[in-house]
Amino acid sequence: GENVEQHPSTLSVQEGDSAVIKCTYSDSASNYFPWYKQELGKGPQLIIDIRSNVGEKKDQRIAVTLNKTAKHFSLHITETQPEDSAVYFCAASKHSGGSNYKLTFGKGTLLTVNP
Amino acid sequence: NAGVTQTPKFQVLKTGQSMTLQCAQDMNHEYMSWYRQDPGMGLRLIHYSVGAGITDQGEVPNGYNVSRSTTEDFPLRLLSAAPSQTSVYFCASSHGGQGAWADTQYFGPGTRLTVL
Repeated sequence: GENVEQHPSTLSVQEGDSAVIKCTYSDSASNYFPWYKQELGKGPQLIIDIRSNVGEKKDQRIAVTLNKTAKHFSLHITETQPEDSAVYFCAASKHSGGSNYKLTFGKGTLLTVNP
Repeated sequence: NAGVTQTPKFQVLKTGQSMTLQCAQDMNHEYMSWYRQDPGMGLRLIHYSVGAGITDQGEVPNGYNVSRSTTEDFPLRLLSAAPSQTSVYFCASSHGGQGAWADTQYFGPGTRLTVL
């Protein structure tokens, strides 16, 4: 089955700096790569996703890049703010019956943004 | 819309007891899933359903049963609880079908289960 590895496990940055979290996946058939943010005591929430036919996607301060050849994808957060502090998870899945509903998650990155 | 709701929020069981974790969604989503989250392990898929009457196993199904009699509800049953099932359980749903929005999984707030 799919295996997703995520690094680093913890990341501490100063407010205003950039943060980068990297993930690799093992199944070359995977074609959907979402990123989730989980705040303390809450369920994960989708922040951005990318599909295998796209190399990069941006949404304001957040961007995701995908390298299909190397089987890795990364989350970039610019101009970090204290409210960005949370656990971030990457995930991967492949189409089955027309949809991506079986996600394999990385183990998470605890991001701390220091004021 | 309430989105995905889960009950209870917290539960303590003794080894061997059974219980059902409830999950409901009001978004008319076809796909629903159960994950467990353990420290340092990320989220792991337990069981999933692609529609009413259809369920299948995920990565860690042992010790859990599910059923899907309606589109809205997807309960998770622990038949004989074990300490290894101490975890936080999340239910998720997605619309399914075609379209960029179809794959987005919406998670509930979670149930924190402790088995003594």
